Amino acid sequence: AQSVTQLGSHVSVSEGALVLLRCNYSSSVPPYLFWYVQYPNQGLQLLLKYTTGATLVKGINGFEAEFKKSETSFHLTKPSAHMSDAAEYFCAVIRGAGGTSYGKLTFGQGTILTVHP
Amino acid sequence: NAGVTQTPKFQVLKTGQSMTLQCAQDMNHEYMSWYRQDPGMGLRLIHYSVGAGITDQGEVPNGYNVSRSTTEDFPLRLLSAAPSQTSVYFCASSSNQGARQPQHFGDGTRLSIL
Repeated sequence: AQSVTQLGSHVSVSEGALVLLRCNYSSSVPPYLFWYVQYPNQGLQLLLKYTTGATLVKGINGFEAEFKKSETSFHLTKPSAHMSDAAEYFCAVIRGAGGTSYGKLTFGQGTILTVHP
Repeated sequence: NAGVTQTPKFQVLKTGQSMTLQCAQDMNHEYMSWYRQDPGMGLRLIHYSVGAGITDQGEVPNGYNVSRSTTEDFPLRLLSAAPSQTSVYFCASSSNQGARQPQHFGDGTRLSIL
């Protein structure tokens, strides 16, 4: 079975500060990893994904994440927070390739990011 | 581009009532799924479909039924609503080009069971 743990249900940063949202996963096979963002009263929007290849992936809105197999982590970072980054962020995993894995996302609990002026 | 459309956006039911949450996508995606979102628990997969006529259970299927008669539509039915089904429900779709394809989410249906 696979699982995803997001450390910290709430993270608060000042505008312009570094954003770091932590995600650790467990999977018996190489996973596909995703970060989604949810703004109030909206659905989830894909920020970035790791499937294969380069372990540092860049996404939208200046976010990036690094897949570290040895640490089973996929932390999300942004060098300088903006007020518009305030939202809830979800880390998710699909258990590798194969037809039986289509779209079966396992989500973390979510992290609410607050950005202070 | 409409993407994934969910209706209704809000609904209040009484315990024991039944209803259908509608989901439609206009991207010709083969794969569609339903998730429920509860505070502190992320999103959990209820049911999914890999194509018209094919459905299967996810992590939390009890109390819900689905069918997939067309590529575009994937309704979720609550047969006898219970307070434990109070949640926000999201429908998602993706292409059949492999598990690495991102899912596109609707804006959700907020359901309260009294």
